Amino acid sequence: GNSVTQMEGPVTLSEEAFLTINCTYTATGYPSLFWYVQYPGEGLQLLLKATKADDKGSNKGFEATYRKETTSFHLEKGSVQVSDSAVYFCALKLDAGGTSYGKLTFGQGTILTVHP
Amino acid sequence: GAVVSQHPSWVICKSGTSVKIECRSLDFQATTMFWYRQFPKQSLMLMATSNEGSKATYEQGVEKDKFLINHASLTLSTLTVTSAHPEDSSFYICSARGRLDTQYFGPGTRLTVL
Repeated sequence: GNSVTQMEGPVTLSEEAFLTINCTYTATGYPSLFWYVQYPGEGLQLLLKATKADDKGSNKGFEATYRKETTSFHLEKGSVQVSDSAVYFCALKLDAGGTSYGKLTFGQGTILTVHP
Repeated sequence: GAVVSQHPSWVICKSGTSVKIECRSLDFQATTMFWYRQFPKQSLMLMATSNEGSKATYEQGVEKDKFLINHASLTLSTLTVTSAHPEDSSFYICSARGRLDTQYFGPGTRLTVL
């Protein structure tokens, strides 16, 4: 089956620190990969995505590269801000056939807290 | 941007009663909506896929008669938890599929069954 595994949190960093949140996946087909962010009291928002191997998704200073050889999609940011404090979810979606077509499979989420 | 709302944001009910949760796409039409359940410190688990004008497709292990889903219009899907019990207490999240196959998520509904 399809699954996503994220590094366990919570992650606590000081402002301007470097961030990495690991994500690995298992999929029966050729998935698209996503990072969603959930700010306190809000719904999940798409942060970035990549649809094929070696693609790099980027947004708001965050980036992640689709690594097929290591089945990974690690999220990185060079300098975090207090406003980045949120829950981050890695997810995959199969885009071609099968009963899982179009459905998102999520990791367990990683809580990030950034202190001033 | 695309906005999805949920109502209510939280609800407390007695065991044995039914609770209805609404999911609305406010500024776009969504032929497909999804319902998820999230336990504390755990991932979102897809419960069902709701298609406008047709029956919902439930994931394995989800009781159709307990979690009734209706998608009567292109902007509204409802989830009714029937004869709720304490083990149904959870955070329920909906999403609506918009342009370019992007899913837009609602803020969630916290259900507590006493």
